Amino acid sequence: KNQVEQSPQSLIILEGKNCTLQCNYTVSPFSNLRWYKQDTGRGPVSLTIMTFSENTKSNGRYTATLDADTKQSSLHITASQLSDSASYICVVSPRPWGTDKLIFGTGTRLQVFP
Amino acid sequence: SQTIHQWPATLVQPVGSPLSLECTVEGTSNPNLYWYRQAAGRGLQLLFYSVGIGQISSEVPQNLSASRPQDRQFILSSKKLLLSDSGFYLCAWTQTASGVYEQYFGPGTRLTVT
Repeated sequence: KNQVEQSPQSLIILEGKNCTLQCNYTVSPFSNLRWYKQDTGRGPVSLTIMTFSENTKSNGRYTATLDADTKQSSLHITASQLSDSASYICVVSPRPWGTDKLIFGTGTRLQVFP
Repeated sequence: SQTIHQWPATLVQPVGSPLSLECTVEGTSNPNLYWYRQAAGRGLQLLFYSVGIGQISSEVPQNLSASRPQDRQFILSSKKLLLSDSGFYLCAWTQTASGVYEQYFGPGTRLTVT
């Protein structure tokens, strides 16, 4: 069964600290993996997209890594800010030519306190 | 630039009442369109997707239906709402970027069925 599991479910950190969110998937075939940021009550916004041949991709203070062999990904946030408080969702796509079968994780809820 | 709109932003409806949620996309043509539902503490669940006017694919049997009367308009409906229809409804569209379909989400509609 295709699944995407994220850990931890929730995380609290102090402003300025770094943190790493984890994503494990059992999706086959595998085309690409995405990380989305979802503010409370808003739609998700894409942070990164990585294909199976990419090991790392950065977007400002966000760096995603992918190990296609172990089927694991991580999202590292550097020097956290209060605005980083949100849910972070890991999404895996089995096919490159369409997204109608995206498989979503349940997300990690991050809270950044001053 | 492309934008996606959803309305209403929030809705409180009694059980058994009808539902109509609307989604429109600007700045693109012939997009793939999607309706998702996000229940509290759960991942996004794909409800419907459409690759063109009048073409609707349903992912899960349910109390809802979708229609695409125009190229950039996607409507989610129900004749009689159930309590279990409560949730956060997201519309999304896809655009190809370097062979990988980027997916953009709307701001969402919070539906509470009482």
